[in-house]
Formats: sequence, C-alpha cells, structure tokens
Amino acid sequence: EADIYQTPRYLVIGTGKKITLECSQTMGHDKMYWYQQDPGMELHLIHYSYGVNSTEKGDLSSESTVSRIRTEHFPLTLESARPSHTSQYLCASSASTLWEGRGELFFGEGSRLTVL
Amino acid sequence: GQQLNQSPQSMFIQEGEDVSMNCTSSSIFNTWLWYKQDPGEGPVLLIALYKAGELTSNGRLTAQFGITRKDSFLNISASIPSDVGIYFCAGQGYGGSQGNLIFGKGTKLSVKP
Repeated sequence: EADIYQTPRYLVIGTGKKITLECSQTMGHDKMYWYQQDPGMELHLIHYSYGVNSTEKGDLSSESTVSRIRTEHFPLTLESARPSHTSQYLCASSASTLWEGRGELFFGEGSRLTVL
Repeated sequence: GQQLNQSPQSMFIQEGEDVSMNCTSSSIFNTWLWYKQDPGEGPVLLIALYKAGELTSNGRLTAQFGITRKDSFLNISASIPSDVGIYFCAGQGYGGSQGNLIFGKGTKLSVKP
C-alpha cells in the first residue's frame, strides 16, 4: 500500500480565502504530481515536480501554485479561492526517473474542495 | 501531443459477466498502467505493463500491452458488485514532459446484482 497522504480530505470555504492543500509521501519518491478531477471525469495534470526546487505547470492551466522545498512534501496553494476552483485535487508520486520506463503513480485519497 | 482513446466510456453489465475495455494511442508508449477509482477516492493501480506483447493477470483481471505499443486492453472475468468504479488506462512515453503519464478519460463500470 502506498504511503501518500493528503489533507484536508474535505474543505468548504468562502470566496477569496487562501487555501493550501497538503501532500506528503514517505516513500522517498522524486516525482510528485497534482491532478484536478471533477466527479466521475478525467484526470487533468496541473503541476508536477521532478525533485526539490523543481516545479512545472501541467497540461491544464491552473491559478494554483506549488512548491517543493522537501522531497516528501508538495503543497498546493490557491491565493484567492473562487467557485470555479471547486473540484477534487489528487496528489501522486512516482519513483521513476525520466528514462526508466517504470512510471507507476501512487495516488493519495484526494482533497475535495468546495468554494462557496 | 499524445492522446489516449479509452472505450467504452461506460458499461452496464450483469453480475457474473465478463468485461473488456481498451485504450489506443496516437503514439508509442513504453509503459501501460491500469487504475481503478472508487467514488471519492484516489485511483489505485491494478496492473502495470512494460513490454510489448506482455500479458499480466491480477486475480480476475487480465491486461495486455499491445504489440504495436499503441494499445492495451483490460479484461475482468466474472464481475462482482465491488468491481463498480471508474477504470483508467495510462501510458508513459519517452523523455521530457512526455515521461509523464497520459491518462484515458475512463470507463465507468456499473454492475447489476
């Protein structure tokens, strides 16, 4: 079983508030990811990191930002939440390097964000 | 960019029936993965495939990495109610941002008891 944790699991917050979704993994994985997913819909990559001090934007444009100061920690921040940010946010990690070809992602349980 | 076509989009089957779903890609992948997601949870890895032609089983699940490296299928035999969920295929390409996984749009499986 994968050791990747997300908090909070559920968050209901008002428009304009700043929120941070936490993601931590204890597997020592170099690569970490954030996906955004509406219920029952496809996964959209919004941020990824290949290691400490490395962050890149994903395929779907997002107003959120991320940081990677420690290997095990990859928080996502929204400076000013809006109703359009309502979604599920999934964090994932992987042990593979770019060329190893063994890219299994291990996902956290997700953070369900509702912005009123 | 790379795209994955996953089909069918949804399935409604009777308990005990076999299920088959597949993914096709516009380009070559070096890894195919199959995930299952229950409502409100994160996806869980079911099967990982690394070689063209590879056939791998996990209990009632069987998946294959296509010879052309552009497709993969997942079969579920003798479905049971707990098989309900969304199944995602994912493929990994070569190098740079293409080293990130590309996900299909999912197959939603419903099982009638």
